[in-house]
Amino acid sequence: ETGVTQSPTHLIKTRGQQVTLRCSSQSGHNTVSWYQQALGQGPQFIFQYYREEENGRGNFPPRFSGLQFPNYSSELNVNALELDDSALYLCASSFERITDTQYFGPGTRLTVL
Amino acid sequence: EDKVVQSPLSLVVHEGDTVTLNCSYEVTNFRSLLWYKQEKKAPTFLFMLTSSGIEKKSGRLSSILDKKELFSILNITATQTGDSAVYLCAVGSNRDDKIIFGKGTRLHILP
Repeated sequence: ETGVTQSPTHLIKTRGQQVTLRCSSQSGHNTVSWYQQALGQGPQFIFQYYREEENGRGNFPPRFSGLQFPNYSSELNVNALELDDSALYLCASSFERITDTQYFGPGTRLTVL
Repeated sequence: EDKVVQSPLSLVVHEGDTVTLNCSYEVTNFRSLLWYKQEKKAPTFLFMLTSSGIEKKSGRLSSILDKKELFSILNITATQTGDSAVYLCAVGSNRDDKIIFGKGTRLHILP
């Protein structure tokens, strides 16, 4: 158990819809990173939030957005879902942007039909 | 462009065998190399390597980093069926706070 939780566990959406995924970080961890892991691939960095501000972004379009809240929870929002968005979405929390020692949540499996 | 390449992509061995997993990288301003084990969902941390030539060990697992040749290996001795998993290699860069992952090696241990 890493102390990082995610909800929901599984989600099925249709193309064009919007989705919000949630993550609850370890207490005291003020950095959260979100990753997309397609089948058979390694996790791909989406973005990172540090103290409620976006602190870095990977090669993902603007329809991927996020929020981080003071209570160590965060959200990943994806608009206008596409079939290729089907993946496991992982969040990871760490202390003070030291992502070498980040702790992963169990992930949300998103299927877009 | 920064990249991390793992080989082989998949491996099937018998219980008791020793395996070596490879990870090579090209990352600007290298900070650290990390190994994770992913069984079902959440990757779990195995090792963090920052210095060349210093072996890290945890039970039957060990890892070493070569910063001159830009690679790392993960060794698992006396493999057990519980070692079946995807092993991920990732590299952290000082240029930003991103961690770049390889595609992973899927290891299957036959009883």
